[in-house]
Amino acid sequence: GAVVSQHPSRVICKSGTSVKIECRSLDFQATTMFWYRQFPKQSLMLMATSNEGSKATYEQGVEKDKFLINHASLTLSTLTVTSAHPEDSSFYICSASTSGAQETQYFGPGTRLLVL
Amino acid sequence: AQKVTQAQTEISVVEKEDVTLDCVYETRDTTYYLFWYKQPPSGELVFLIRRNSFDEQNEISGRYSWNFQKSTSSFNFTITASQVVDSAVYFCALRNFGNEKLTFGTGTRLTIIP
Repeated sequence: GAVVSQHPSRVICKSGTSVKIECRSLDFQATTMFWYRQFPKQSLMLMATSNEGSKATYEQGVEKDKFLINHASLTLSTLTVTSAHPEDSSFYICSASTSGAQETQYFGPGTRLLVL
Repeated sequence: AQKVTQAQTEISVVEKEDVTLDCVYETRDTTYYLFWYKQPPSGELVFLIRRNSFDEQNEISGRYSWNFQKSTSSFNFTITASQVVDSAVYFCALRNFGNEKLTFGTGTRLTIIP
């Protein structure tokens, strides 16, 4: 149980285009999903917390107009990188949180974004 | 504020050796949760264990064991009889009660040499 999928796993795009990444909890409902960014050989950096049906909460320094997050249902959150630039190239990972006493974040397989 | 320190940046051991990954945490809360995740080269973070602050019992799962000591604010992870498939980056993380966010350590890159 507690499987999280992410799509696409890898994307290459031209500078100026927008890229959408989907995160789905496959076998549980997640009221909260998280989006992280990870640079090579570094730890995960939380970008935003996404709650179903409400606006995402962004971490300090993360541009909300640049990284659009939509949490449309209890099993789906999307991250759209708008007008992507080479400096947006990174590994993006989502997680979905189970609820209750055993609350735990389960992570998706990640999306590697390369902006040319 | 909370903080997780993984002082070992990289560790290499020969296959079948035992290895311990250190994790030291800081928090002002009395109720909190500790986690270990494994990140193999594929990139996905794999959940390994969750430990509540009020449960100091050590846990063993196959070749994996965890030593939680509140007195030293440590939550160390030991792999016995290491295997090449254990090669990965391992992250320790902390979550305070009532706070949904995880605080991650910087990770320890473990390489098992065949």
